Amino acid sequence: DTGVSQDPRHKITKRGQNVTFRCDPISEHNRLYWYRQTLGQGPEFLTYFQNEAQLEKSRLLSDRFSAERPKGSFSTLEIQRTEQGDSAMYLCASSPPGEVDYGYTFGSGTRLTVV
Amino acid sequence: KNEVQQSPQNLTAQEGEFITINCSYSVGISALHWLQQHPGGGIVSLFMLSSGKKKHGRLIATINIQEKHSSLHITASHPRDSAVYICAVRGSNYQLIWGAGTKLIIKP
Repeated sequence: DTGVSQDPRHKITKRGQNVTFRCDPISEHNRLYWYRQTLGQGPEFLTYFQNEAQLEKSRLLSDRFSAERPKGSFSTLEIQRTEQGDSAMYLCASSPPGEVDYGYTFGSGTRLTVV
Repeated sequence: KNEVQQSPQNLTAQEGEFITINCSYSVGISALHWLQQHPGGGIVSLFMLSSGKKKHGRLIATINIQEKHSSLHITASHPRDSAVYICAVRGSNYQLIWGAGTKLIIKP
């Protein structure tokens, strides 16, 4: 297990199209997080899963955004009817059971460009 | 809202210099992270602190809970240390609240 994997690394899409990103956390990590980072800004929290349960969701996760983690392993983040403002780096992170803050590991991100 | 503030925003130094990046926060926290992000690369967690001081190689991180302040120090800086360094804090929920980052450039 080489870390948190995100796919694809880059995605260019036309405005109005739907996109889906995938995150594979470290296998023994039960916690999974999605963040969004726009240019020059720090990442913003989107959502948090513990196993398959989505325990927290930012108001940034509008009705066009949905995230799932159906079997408590990989997660998907879907954006429907993409807008230019959705262009950002989408980061996934995971952490192991136990104390929440130990072992935070981030993926390399998926860079979305909406044209 | 600026619950986490980092300084400086940009820092350019010569190889070998001692580097300090500061982070102040205004919320109650349970932990503070220092992270490193290389251009076009992912984010690497450097330290997680809830009190005191930690050291890893040439990196040292300190936190003062009473003053709500943390510092990241780099000794004998090297061009490969050039990156964005981010301070992030976790409050009572599971979210990390991130600073805007400090862009560090070390010139040879």
